[in-house]
Amino acid sequence: DTGVSQDPRHKITKRGQNVTFRCDPISEHNRLYWYRQTLGQGPEFLTYFQNEAQLEKSRLLSDRFSAERPKGSFSTLEIQRTEQGDSAMYLCASSLLRGATVVGGTEAFFGQGTRLTVV
Amino acid sequence: AQSVTQPDIHITVSEGASLELRCNYSYGATPYLFWYVQSPGQGLQLLLKYFSGDTLVQGIKGFEAEFKRSQSSFNLRKPSVHWSDAAEYFCAVAGFGGFKTIFGAGTRLFVKA
Repeated sequence: DTGVSQDPRHKITKRGQNVTFRCDPISEHNRLYWYRQTLGQGPEFLTYFQNEAQLEKSRLLSDRFSAERPKGSFSTLEIQRTEQGDSAMYLCASSLLRGATVVGGTEAFFGQGTRLTVV
Repeated sequence: AQSVTQPDIHITVSEGASLELRCNYSYGATPYLFWYVQSPGQGLQLLLKYFSGDTLVQGIKGFEAEFKRSQSSFNLRKPSVHWSDAAEYFCAVAGFGGFKTIFGAGTRLFVKA
């Protein structure tokens, strides 16, 4: 399967602990996005990368959150000193933008998400 | 401000009945519009998308959507609902290249026998 994959699928952690999630995008995709989805809500944009450059961060992304995409391939999202309010589904998505041309559509392809529960 | 509104939090339809899920958007530039479906505990699956051209777009699983610029709407329809269509449906808007997709709050579809 060559879709977006996320690891782990589920994570339970104690408040105050650090957690790290991984996302492997579709291999040729140069854009990678992180979203957060809380119960009963749609996904909310957190940040995105164009290759290895992080181009925008939402104000939802507090100082405790950091995302990296060191070689322009996989990405990690780390949450430090987790709080109960961080409990959510974290979704990763990727898309391909080649120059100024839309390639194969402009939609983002989503992974299955990582469900984080902070106890 | 850029936003997507799905006025119906949940909808219940009988199996075999027709379905329409409403979506209104606010977006400053040319919008790229999408409908995604999400089953419990799962990621998002793209049903259909609109970029330009014919304002009636066909998607997977028998869904279609109509873009109405004058009403800033992109409603999703299906002529005959199946029990397996029960899920959460999200309308979304993005800029060129899929940048920063903005989602509505979703509509939960229940299908009764």
